[in-house]
Amino acid sequence: DTGVSQDPRHKITKRGQNVTFRCDPISEHNRLYWYRQTLGQGPEFLTYFQNEAQLEKSRLLSDRFSAERPKGSFSTLEIQRTEQGDSAMYLCASSLLGRSRNTEAFFGQGTRLTVV
Amino acid sequence: AQSVSQHNHHVILSEAASLELGCNYSYGGTVNLFWYVQYPGQHLQLLLKYFSGDPLVKGIKGFEAEFIKSKFSFNLRKPSVQWSDTAEYFCAATTSGTYKYIFGTGTRLKVLA
Repeated sequence: DTGVSQDPRHKITKRGQNVTFRCDPISEHNRLYWYRQTLGQGPEFLTYFQNEAQLEKSRLLSDRFSAERPKGSFSTLEIQRTEQGDSAMYLCASSLLGRSRNTEAFFGQGTRLTVV
Repeated sequence: AQSVSQHNHHVILSEAASLELGCNYSYGGTVNLFWYVQYPGQHLQLLLKYFSGDPLVKGIKGFEAEFIKSKFSFNLRKPSVQWSDTAEYFCAATTSGTYKYIFGTGTRLKVLA
């Protein structure tokens, strides 16, 4: 499968613990996005990267959230001191943004986080 | 701030009925528009996209959408729905500046056999 892959698919954690999610984008894609989705809502933008540079971080994202894409390939999203309100599906997507060719965003299956 | 609105939150149709889902965006510049579908238990998949050119865009599975710039709209249509179209549908937009995807809240479609 050469699509966007996310790991783990499910994560249950106790409140106050730290969690880290990984996203492997489609290999040629230079853009990588993180979204959060809760029941009955559309994906909510968290942050995005072009290559290794983090271009924007949502104002909704507290300091407990951090994302990296160290070599412009895979990305990690870390949530520190998790709270019950962090329970959601975390989606990763990637796309190619180029001078002559742009693609749409391709989404992974998501990581479902449950904070108990 | 850029936003995307979907007016129908839940739609129930019988098979063979026609479908139209509304989508409006709020941005005056150049936009790219998308419809994504999420079948139960599956990830978001692209139905169709508009970057430029013909404002009537045809996608997969018989879906189409029309970009009407004067109305800031990009409504999704299908002449005859099938039970397998039961899913959640999301409209999304990006701007030519950031290419950041902004999604609507989604429309949950249920097609009765």
